[in-house]
Amino acid sequence: DGGITQSPKYLFRKEGQNVTLSCEQNLNHDAMYWYRQDPGQGLRLIYYSQIVNDFQKGDIAEGYSVSREKKESFPLTVTSAQKNPTAFYLCASSIVAGSEQYFGPGTRLTVT
Amino acid sequence: GIQVEQSPPDLILQEGANSTLRCNFSDSVNNLQWFHQNPWGQLINLFYIPSGTKQNGRLSATTVATERYSLLYISSSQTTDSGVYFCAVGPNTGTASKLTFGTGTRLQVTL
Repeated sequence: DGGITQSPKYLFRKEGQNVTLSCEQNLNHDAMYWYRQDPGQGLRLIYYSQIVNDFQKGDIAEGYSVSREKKESFPLTVTSAQKNPTAFYLCASSIVAGSEQYFGPGTRLTVT
Repeated sequence: GIQVEQSPPDLILQEGANSTLRCNFSDSVNNLQWFHQNPWGQLINLFYIPSGTKQNGRLSATTVATERYSLLYISSSQTTDSGVYFCAVGPNTGTASKLTFGTGTRLQVTL
């Protein structure tokens, strides 16, 4: 069953802690993306990766970090430097950069 | 960067009615996608349509790239069509990877 999985679905953390969100795809897509959605808003791009071992900052990369060591995996770390980390985080992938993007189910992160 | 505006922001329909959602964008694009976000937050791909017209069942979409707008048509609406509809575009210049989203149209279909 091909698709994009994100875990966990809900995540709660205390302020000051780093947290890593998982994103895995078995679609053999080269490109992967992380977006953030705040209530009542559209999605904003955090980081993207066009190929393994390469990634670029999106519009709101401050306070986040990523790695792309395997084609299937693109984990996102929300660091303590991110001022407003509570949000809905969505991962996406596409066959190549610029082609149609497909989204995972998302992770809702709450930091108190 | 490219600007994306969606209208109307909110729409309430009775079941069976038709509707048109609009997406205006400020620059030329090589990627335009329409999504439906369900109540659980999942983004469902509706159309990949940087230009031209496509149809899928009760839904169809048209993008007029030269005039920088796209339209999503929903016919014979059903309660399961409720949710938020997003338009997202990728610019024709610079990074081909970046999708910029509009703020969405929130649709509620009532019985």
